[in-house]
Amino acid sequence: DAGVTQSPTHLIKTRGQQVTLRCSPKSGHDTVSWYQQALGQGPQFIFQYYEEEERQRGNFPDRFSGHQFPNYSSELNVNALLLGDSALYLCASSKRDSRNTEAFFGQGTRLTVV
Amino acid sequence: AQKVTQAQTEISVVEKEDVTLDCVYETRDTTYYLFWYKQPPSGELVFLIRRNSFDEQNEISGRYSWNFQKSTSSFNFTITASQVVDSAVYFCALRGTGFQKLVFGTGTRLLVSP
Repeated sequence: DAGVTQSPTHLIKTRGQQVTLRCSPKSGHDTVSWYQQALGQGPQFIFQYYEEEERQRGNFPDRFSGHQFPNYSSELNVNALLLGDSALYLCASSKRDSRNTEAFFGQGTRLTVV
Repeated sequence: AQKVTQAQTEISVVEKEDVTLDCVYETRDTTYYLFWYKQPPSGELVFLIRRNSFDEQNEISGRYSWNFQKSTSSFNFTITASQVVDSAVYFCALRGTGFQKLVFGTGTRLLVSP
């Protein structure tokens, strides 16, 4: 049973560029959440997708956008990259109709903006 | 607003010592869920335990044990007879009802030396 998979694992981009990160949820899961983890900090919630719609959003600017596909996989897009966007981006999946569910995380994508 | 506080930034112990990681939370929800995750250097957040707010029974799993006390809003994690492989950053997290976002503490880095 494959867990949550993210790609790529590492990425280096130049300030002002755009980036797309990808996530495949754990088998049986239908909800995908994205988190940003700056160095030495705890993960911060970006947004959550369910049924191909953004359901919740954290305190992140519109430069951060996402998408969920019919197969439940998801993308995170960041436009006009800033140096401060350098972080580990974590994808988490869960099953929405189960109250007693925990989120399972992928290994993350480490984004460096230079 | 929800908040999780992990006051211990870093703890260093020698192998076989017992160690307790503290977690204090704030929430106005009457029903909520508490979690502990382990983050090794690889970056992936590994789920350790979920505790529901209506279940204050403490839990033991091998060398791990958790002490949940609603009266003090604490959810502490104890590792008995620590091992070098326990070295990681440990995060406490809180989630309300309705499949809301996870709110993480800033993490505690545990260093176990031989």
